[in-house]
Amino acid sequence: DTGVSQNPRHKITKRGQNVTFRCDPISEHNRLYWYRQTLGQGPEFLTYFQNEAQLEKSRLLSDRFSAERPKGSFSTLEIQRTEQGDSAMYLCASSPTGKGHTEAFFGQGTRLTVV
Amino acid sequence: DAKTTQPNSMESNEEEPVHLPCNHSTISGTDYIHWYRQLPSQGPEYVIHGLTSNVNNRMASLAIAEDRKSSTLILHRATLRDAAVYYCILGSMDSSYKLIFGSGTRLLVRP
Repeated sequence: DTGVSQNPRHKITKRGQNVTFRCDPISEHNRLYWYRQTLGQGPEFLTYFQNEAQLEKSRLLSDRFSAERPKGSFSTLEIQRTEQGDSAMYLCASSPTGKGHTEAFFGQGTRLTVV
Repeated sequence: DAKTTQPNSMESNEEEPVHLPCNHSTISGTDYIHWYRQLPSQGPEYVIHGLTSNVNNRMASLAIAEDRKSSTLILHRATLRDAAVYYCILGSMDSSYKLIFGSGTRLLVRP
């Protein structure tokens, strides 16, 4: 296991289409996070899973966005009826459970372009 | 979420030390100070973290002010591969441990 894997790396879609991204975290990591990053900005938190439970969602996660982690392993992020403003890098991160500090490991991201 | 303030950009010469400052005047007693960096076209990667005491690891050192309202990431000898955006983040010890990124400091390393 070499780290957090995200697929696809790049996605170009037409406005109004649905897209789905996949994240495979480091296998023993219970926590999984999704972030969105636009050009020149730091990553913005979207949502957080502890095992299969989605425990926190940002206000940024509109009704068109849905994330799942059905078996507590891989996760998917779906965007319905994409808009041009959804164009961004979508980053996934995972970390082990533990008290205090835990290091988050990020994937290389999926770059979405909505045309 | 507690906020951090960093300079937008800094420059350094290769093989010289670099001191990246961060202000976090609203830090709470249970907030860790994390540093992550993001190289071009990569996801962020962990650099170092601390709570109250100064910390050293193979990548960097973290100097934390006595009142914890500021900290400095120290790269002892900058290399071209250290050119990246460096993020100073306060990590709450709440249940989610999510990271709230600011805009970071873009470090340019001159050969």
